[in-house]
Amino acid sequence: KQEVTQIPAALSVPEGENLVLNCSFTDSAIYNLQWFRQDPGKGLTSLLLIQSSQREQTSGRLNASLDKSSGRSTLYIAASQPGDSATYLCAVCRATNKLIFGTGTLLAVQP
Amino acid sequence: NAGVTQTPKFRVLKTGQSMTLLCAQDMNHEYMYWYRQDPGMGLRLIHYSVGEGTTAKGEVPDGYNVSRLKKQNFLLGLESAAPSQTSVYFCASSYASLSRPQHFGDGTRLSIL
Repeated sequence: KQEVTQIPAALSVPEGENLVLNCSFTDSAIYNLQWFRQDPGKGLTSLLLIQSSQREQTSGRLNASLDKSSGRSTLYIAASQPGDSATYLCAVCRATNKLIFGTGTLLAVQP
Repeated sequence: NAGVTQTPKFRVLKTGQSMTLLCAQDMNHEYMYWYRQDPGMGLRLIHYSVGEGTTAKGEVPDGYNVSRLKKQNFLLGLESAAPSQTSVYFCASSYASLSRPQHFGDGTRLSIL
């Protein structure tokens, strides 16, 4: 059974710091890995999608990497801002785009 | 663009009552999904649909039924609500492609007393 784990569960950093969020999964037979952001009381917003054949994806200050063989992905956020405060979720994708989610990392960026 | 719209946004039910949650998407997506989100457990897939008239079970389907009579709508039904079904329910949709992400609604907060 596929399990997805995110560490740490919560993280607080000062504004301007670079940070890394971690995601691990137990079954490497995935089609892609997706990172989402969730603001309080809101739905999920897609940040990055990494295909199983890719090693990384970048969007602005965000960079996500994927190492299928070790079952790990990282989300790197450069020069963090208070507006980055949210819960970050990773999810691995199986057939028909079905996602298995981790429990998320709650990020607080202090001004 | 409305994207994915869920109604209602909040609801309180008594045990044993029934209700239907509505999800509508205006992006012409083929796939649609219903998830529930509970503290400490992340999002879990309840049911999903790969096209109009088709539905399939996800990870936690018991106690729920779904229907997709129109491509743009996906309904989630609770026939006899139980306190264990208190949760936040999210609908999502996507293209029939493994290279395209899912788009989520803002959720329905359901409390069952």
